[in-house]
Amino acid sequence: QQPVQSPQAVILREGEDAVINCSSSKALYSVHWYRQKHGEAPVFLMILLKGGEQKGHDKISASFNEKKQQSSLYLTASQLSYSGTYFCGTEIRVGTASKLTFGTGTRLQVTL
Amino acid sequence: NAGVTQTPKFRVLKTGQSMTLLCAQDMNHEYMYWYRQDPGMGLRLIHYSVGEGTTAKGEVPDGYNVSRLKKQNFLLGLESAAPSQTSVYFCASSYPGGGEEADGQPQHFGDGTRLSIL
Repeated sequence: QQPVQSPQAVILREGEDAVINCSSSKALYSVHWYRQKHGEAPVFLMILLKGGEQKGHDKISASFNEKKQQSSLYLTASQLSYSGTYFCGTEIRVGTASKLTFGTGTRLQVTL
Repeated sequence: NAGVTQTPKFRVLKTGQSMTLLCAQDMNHEYMYWYRQDPGMGLRLIHYSVGEGTTAKGEVPDGYNVSRLKKQNFLLGLESAAPSQTSVYFCASSYPGGGEEADGQPQHFGDGTRLSIL
């Protein structure tokens, strides 16, 4: 079951802030965030693990509420380079391995 | 360092034809994945592998087969292509193994294969 992302799309002026939300109905091990520019591959941004550990980007912040299975990505003082589609991926254990299930994405456009 | 390389980058097939997509990674990763991406649907997992010689089904495996005979390669096969399989296909790899935890590892994606089936 795919996690739900909101909003589906957002347009910002350069310098403005945005929050992208991701929620799941399943108990999660971690939440991943990726950004994809048009015609390119998704690129890893960060991982939020159970217990509070974070890995990844030092200029983008995020939170993970383990009890609610929700995560939020905070984009502050947005730059033109932030434009793209943001995907969250929710990680669960499957036997001895883990799998990611991606949301349908949030399209972010930053304008001058 | 090439990372994850997918071949071909583009392909047009006729309904009923077969083809194989190749994914190669040079990061010595244990896990490899095949996704398809359709407009408005995000990335959906087709098949994945947690090691050489092992494969498992993902969310949308029907119509596809995979093989991982070598650790660095993960092949995706379409035996009899259908128009519904028109999509962009991404391969990804993760988890360097050794002493690291398998969970919470970032996935590294290839540039994708754009496949059209007429």
